Amino acid sequence: TQLLEQSPQFLSIQEGENLTVYCNSSSVFSSLQWYRQEPGEGPVLLVTVVTGGEVKKLKRLTFQFGDARKDSSLHITAAQPGDTGLYLCAGARTGFQKLVFGTGTRLLVSP
Amino acid sequence: DTAVSQTPKYLVTQMGNDKSIKCEQNLGHDTMYWYKQDSKKFLKIMFSYNNKELIINETVPNRFSPKSPDKAHLNLHINSLELGDSAVYFCASSQDFRGTGSTFGSGTRLTVV
Repeated sequence: TQLLEQSPQFLSIQEGENLTVYCNSSSVFSSLQWYRQEPGEGPVLLVTVVTGGEVKKLKRLTFQFGDARKDSSLHITAAQPGDTGLYLCAGARTGFQKLVFGTGTRLLVSP
Repeated sequence: DTAVSQTPKYLVTQMGNDKSIKCEQNLGHDTMYWYKQDSKKFLKIMFSYNNKELIINETVPNRFSPKSPDKAHLNLHINSLELGDSAVYFCASSQDFRGTGSTFGSGTRLTVV
């Protein structure tokens, strides 16, 4: 069992559709980050959320941190082929000197 | 200018060989990391260094030895390579010691044959 479980594992949609990716845990995190990784490249940071209930928007992407700081979601509106990639959540816990990564969600957006 | 650069990009080698991967960051960050990403794309931390000091060693076989000559460089040496070492290895850096806002290199795909 992984500390941070993402769902779905894989999502294949058409351009223009909306989608939500979930990142869940039974542990509390002091901050949670979302990364996107494209083939052959390293993960690239999209956003960091630190306050329970916080919502951040990045163009068509909306990130939410759960009130209890145990979960997060990423919502994409009107997905585009350029959104294709592996989405990873990662959490930092108080007292731990490392990030824990989620299990990943592979998104494929077809034209 | 690449923020976190690692070399080589690809490494194909035979079992039993010794190999090194180099990493450099020009972001002025205090902490650097090595991560391993397996075939299922799960990313797991191996080591972290803060200002050249080892902070985390995550149950990694002692065939793996990191070395940080200064806070801008973190290299990874692997002895007696095994088939199971095949993976993509990522170097990363961050300003704080918990990895918040990490910047990753583009990865080294290691294939052991």
